[in-house]
Amino acid sequence: DVKVTQSSRYLVKRTGEKVFLECVQDMDHENMFWYRQDPGLGLRLIYFSYDVKMKEKGDIPEGYSVSREKKERFSLILESASTNQTSMYLCASSPGWGANTGELFFGEGSRLTVL
Amino acid sequence: AQSVTQLGSHVSVSEGALVLLRCNYSSSVPPYLFWYVQYPNQGLQLLLKYTTGATLVKGINGFEAEFKKSETSFHLTKPSAHMSDAAEYFCAVSVGYSSASKIIFGSGTRLSIRP
Repeated sequence: DVKVTQSSRYLVKRTGEKVFLECVQDMDHENMFWYRQDPGLGLRLIYFSYDVKMKEKGDIPEGYSVSREKKERFSLILESASTNQTSMYLCASSPGWGANTGELFFGEGSRLTVL
Repeated sequence: AQSVTQLGSHVSVSEGALVLLRCNYSSSVPPYLFWYVQYPNQGLQLLLKYTTGATLVKGINGFEAEFKKSETSFHLTKPSAHMSDAAEYFCAVSVGYSSASKIIFGSGTRLSIRP
């Protein structure tokens, strides 16, 4: 089975702190995604990457950056956390061209609280 | 632009009753369509998907959905609800067929089951 592992299930940070959310997948998928989930808003795409060192902005990239130095790892960075970034963050991956039906494989989520 | 609308943020049914969760989509090209389920404190997992071919799609846990192009709908049904079906359900549409197909999610429907 595909496994997508997010390093922290629950984090509490203070306003202004730099926050790293790590995600690792073990199925050699080309594509990786970071979503933010908020009640009533569904999932909103922050950033995605279709190859190592490649990244594309999603719908709500402001206040976030990403890093993909290795194929299996995709990191989400909050340079200076703010209270409005309190949310559930979901990492996902999918196969690349030829094997991609659009299905995403999700991690269990990281619930971030910014005080 | 592609979009997904889920009618009803919260649906409550009795155990053993029919489950019907509604989803309408907007897409300028033939879509790939998905239903995902999220149990409490977990990530999303795929229930079922429509890509091409048969318009009635069967998924896990007794759920099925029918793609109706004329109605731009992809409603999720289950003949008899179980207590274990209580979860949040997301409809999603895949935009394009490139290597990093972008998935657009609806805002979710929380399903409650009454004993």
